[in-house]
Amino acid sequence: QSVLTQPPSVSAAPGQKVTISCSGRTANIGNNYISWYQQLPGTAPKLLIFDTKKRPSEIPDRFSGSKSGTSATLDITGLQTGDEADYYCASWDSSLRAVIFGGGTQLTVL
Amino acid sequence: EVHLVQSGAQVRKPGESLNISCQSSGYRFTSAWIGWVRQMPGKGLEWMARIYPGDSATAYNPSLEGQIAISTDKSINTAYLQWTSLKASDTAIYYCVIHRVPSEYFDSWGPGTRVTVS
Repeated sequence: QSVLTQPPSVSAAPGQKVTISCSGRTANIGNNYISWYQQLPGTAPKLLIFDTKKRPSEIPDRFSGSKSGTSATLDITGLQTGDEADYYCASWDSSLRAVIFGGGTQLTVL
Repeated sequence: EVHLVQSGAQVRKPGESLNISCQSSGYRFTSAWIGWVRQMPGKGLEWMARIYPGDSATAYNPSLEGQIAISTDKSINTAYLQWTSLKASDTAIYYCVIHRVPSEYFDSWGPGTRVTVS
């Protein structure tokens, strides 16, 4: 069982918006930055969001991150079939002294 | 552009030792933390360890400390992950990553090395 809790799956139609949640506690999300990763089937993960809300230059602004208290969210707008992937949140945990990941959320674009 | 090239798939028996590698290019090797993230079959991601090649400082996931060792060879811009006695539960894909500190995120990923212990 992961320290960060994500829904196992979400789905939405092409062009729509989806929100993926990531719930933790003060020792991780509450006091530290969050990052998000996209893992397309059969490939290595790719960084989508770092420092909670920043995007690498190559990531389109359809992807955005935010945090409130001990929960974080990844929003994806204008969904495309190519967005079908597993999405993971991550954060440093000050108590565990480790980077921890959520269990992952599988996105289906219907 | 950062490029991480990992060693090929490995099959070992329980109790055997193993060393997998990650050769990097496109940046100053001694100026960035490099580390490892594993993914067990059908499972999520787990951070394992990181090392700063400039001074060989290391940090391990406490849940794995003592089971693995991370090292580098600065002369060939290569990081290693080592086991002295593998277990079946070490079966996984191991990703080499550039680990940004202090924000604690991974901005470059290698293609992965599949390790099977059986």
